[in-house]
Amino acid sequence: NAGVMQNPRHLVRRRGQEARLRCSPMKGHSHVYWYRQLPEEGLKFMVYLQKENIIDESGMPKERFSAEFPKEGPSILRIQQVVRGDSAAYFCASSPGDNRDPRETQYFGPGTRLLVL
Amino acid sequence: DQQVKQNSPSLSVQEGRISILNCDYTNSMFDYFLWYKKYPAEGPTFLISISSIKDKNEDGRFTVFLNKSAKHLSLHIVPSQPGDSAVYFCAASVGGTSYGKLTFGQGTILTVHP
Repeated sequence: NAGVMQNPRHLVRRRGQEARLRCSPMKGHSHVYWYRQLPEEGLKFMVYLQKENIIDESGMPKERFSAEFPKEGPSILRIQQVVRGDSAAYFCASSPGDNRDPRETQYFGPGTRLLVL
Repeated sequence: DQQVKQNSPSLSVQEGRISILNCDYTNSMFDYFLWYKKYPAEGPTFLISISSIKDKNEDGRFTVFLNKSAKHLSLHIVPSQPGDSAVYFCAASVGGTSYGKLTFGQGTILTVHP
């Protein structure tokens, strides 16, 4: 059973370009979380999605960032007009969305390292 | 506003000895605490957790202690093994409709020497 998949693992963009980060949750998981880790810092919550719904986007920057989790296909974190400060590791986690506590059943992907030149 | 703090960036321990990793928090609404372990180029992996109604939880070599009055928790690893060398993150959560949301500390790099 494959774990959480993220691609690409590494992404290089020039300032002003768009970055698209993909997350395929574990099989049977319907909840997705995105976290960002800036250099020398811990992971910071960005957004929590269920299939076709954004539940909590309190950690998302107001501009340039968007996330979706369509009925079919992976979750996408999209960053428009990237700036150098967007350089970070972006981690996706998924949880089953059943009665189990999602705080203990979040499985993290390996992350996408975004570098903005 | 760093609500979860790990003030020691790194810790070095001899194999077989005890490793103690510390974490402080400021938000009194946190009611659930977790420790994650992370290897380079991988995502964090859940290690152990504790609810605010408890003051200790043990799982094999790993024990987490919670001191609510001091808003402090610690992870004890005994005996430490070289394979425990990794970055350890403390995380906290508030119950409610979005209680899967985790707030992480900055991490502590643990090195266990053979």
